[in-house]
Amino acid sequence: KQEVTQIPAALSVPEGENLVLNCSFTDSAIYNLQWFRQDPGKGLTSLLLIQSSQREQTSGRLNASLDKSSGRSTLYIAASQPGDSATYLCAVPPWNQGGKLIFGQGTELSVKP
Amino acid sequence: EAQVTQNPRYLITVTGKKLTVTCSQNMNHEYMSWYRQDPGLGLRQIYYSMNVEVTDKGDVPEGYKVSRKEKRNFPLILESPSPNQTSLYFCASSLATRPYSPLHFGNGTRLTVT
Repeated sequence: KQEVTQIPAALSVPEGENLVLNCSFTDSAIYNLQWFRQDPGKGLTSLLLIQSSQREQTSGRLNASLDKSSGRSTLYIAASQPGDSATYLCAVPPWNQGGKLIFGQGTELSVKP
Repeated sequence: EAQVTQNPRYLITVTGKKLTVTCSQNMNHEYMSWYRQDPGLGLRQIYYSMNVEVTDKGDVPEGYKVSRKEKRNFPLILESPSPNQTSLYFCASSLATRPYSPLHFGNGTRLTVT
């Protein structure tokens, strides 16, 4: 059964620092991997989606990489800002399981001014 | 504006009183799904739908029902709510028939069952 893990559960960094968030999955048979952002009391916002055939995707200061063979994805945030403070979640749709989607528990990021 | 709309945002009810949480999307999306979010357990999928009249169970379907009679609507029904269904619920949709394109989420429904 596919399991998705995000470590650490919480991270606090000073403004301006580059940082990496981690996402691990146990079964490499996935269609894609999505990274989301969740602000307190709000729904999730899709940040980046990496197809299984891709190695990375970039959007502005965000860069997500995917290594299926090792079951890992990283979300790199450059020059962090206080507005980046949120919970970041990753999710994968397992191969041959219809419309199922498995989420990690998220990393709560705090960027201090 | 493209969006997923859930109603109500907050709901307090009593054990056993049937309720429905509505979800509607205006993006002509094929795929829709319901999740619950609990502290320490994260987001767990309840049900999903890959098209009209096509629904299937996620990881925690017990105590819930869904229907997909029209493409835009995907209501979540709790026939006899219990306190363990107190949670934050999210509806989401995506263009593809499966979660192979970016998901769009509603703002959530906070349900309390006493």
